[in-house]
Amino acid sequence: QKEVEQNSGPLSVPEGAIASLNCTYSDRGSQSFFWYRQYSGKSPELIMFIYSNGDKEDGRFTAQLNKASQYVSLLIRDSQPSDSATYLCAVYLYTGGFKTIFGAGTRLFVKA
Amino acid sequence: NAGVTQTPKFRILKIGQSMTLQCTQDMNHNYMYWYRQDPGMGLKLIYYSVGAGITDKGEVPNGYNVSRSTTEDFPLRLELAAPSQTSVYFCASSYSSGGGHSYNEQFFGPGTRLTVL
Repeated sequence: QKEVEQNSGPLSVPEGAIASLNCTYSDRGSQSFFWYRQYSGKSPELIMFIYSNGDKEDGRFTAQLNKASQYVSLLIRDSQPSDSATYLCAVYLYTGGFKTIFGAGTRLFVKA
Repeated sequence: NAGVTQTPKFRILKIGQSMTLQCTQDMNHNYMYWYRQDPGMGLKLIYYSVGAGITDKGEVPNGYNVSRSTTEDFPLRLELAAPSQTSVYFCASSYSSGGGHSYNEQFFGPGTRLTVL
């Protein structure tokens, strides 16, 4: 089992719809969780991070964390064509040493 | 602020050659990282540094070396390049006040696209 798993997609949604991106992780000691957006040929940029169970909202983005189910998701409301990118889930784990594990990413395509 | 800068942007190496990928940040961040990203894959940590003079291995360190003599610079050295090292390399930095860095944001450079033939 991979440490951080994401559906590779592509996930295709119409403009204005809600895009739901999911991520599962294997280590129960994982402490915090990040969503990065990466446009094609560009470097990743942080969208959101979350470390407590529940929801965290920032504009059109909502991160959801369920540690019991080892599941983290990102919802994008009112999706725009400019949201088309690959979304990387990253999990931070500190066990006497630094460890951040990235998922392979989900490609999102928002159709105008 | 320029943020995180990387040079070169592109490079083609022959098998067995060596090179150094340069990374500089001007944000006075104490943590710096090197990742590689293979096509369709996530980022894999090669090495990281928590401050000048301190480095440690990440997930995939074999075939690479690093040094951190200043806060700003974190070069990555490839010795005896192999086709398996064909990838995009990202340098990143972040700031932590100590006790780990659970919540800090990593800032990425633009990447270096390396091909080994």
